Amino acid sequence: DAGVTQSPTHLIKTRGQQVTLRCSPKSGHDTVSWYQQALGQGPQFIFQYYEEEERQRGNFPDRFSGHQFPNYSSELNVNALLLGDSALYLCASSSGTVRETQYFGPGTRLLVL
Amino acid sequence: GEDVEQSLFLSVREGDSSVINCTYTDSSSTYLYWYKQEPGAGLQLLTYIFSNMDMKQDQRLTVLLNKKDKHLSLRIADTQTGDSAIYFCAEGNQAGTALIFGKGTTLSVSS
Repeated sequence: DAGVTQSPTHLIKTRGQQVTLRCSPKSGHDTVSWYQQALGQGPQFIFQYYEEEERQRGNFPDRFSGHQFPNYSSELNVNALLLGDSALYLCASSSGTVRETQYFGPGTRLLVL
Repeated sequence: GEDVEQSLFLSVREGDSSVINCTYTDSSSTYLYWYKQEPGAGLQLLTYIFSNMDMKQDQRLTVLLNKKDKHLSLRIADTQTGDSAIYFCAEGNQAGTALIFGKGTTLSVSS
């Protein structure tokens, strides 16, 4: 049973560019959440997708957007990249009534130069 | 608002017990979680406790919850060098959708 998978594993971009990160949830899960983890910090919630809709959003600007596909996989898009967007981006999946019990993927490490 | 606090660093010797502490603010959290993060990796769900429980034991891990003081602890018995990692405490937000994490406790185990 595959766990949560993310691609790519690493990415280098320059300021002002746009980036798309991808996530496939754990088998049987229908909810995907995205988190940003800056160096030395705990993960910060970006948003959650369920039934192809953004269910809740954290305190992130509109430059951060997402999408969920019918097969439950998800994308995170970040426009107009800033140096401060450099971080580990984690995808988590969950299901059922306790959607907060989330299982994380290995993350995508984004470096913005 | 919701907030989770943890001590930043803990150092123990191999074979000793480790106790990692956490305080949280949202008394409406249904579950409280402990995650482990090894260098360069994602987060591994270690264990979680339902908010109406006081204690949960899972092999070498014991979670204690004091709901009155909003204090959560993780005890690792017979700590091994492979337990060296960052441990995150997390609570669910009021909507039950997002996890609110502490900054993590770095556990260093020396042989």
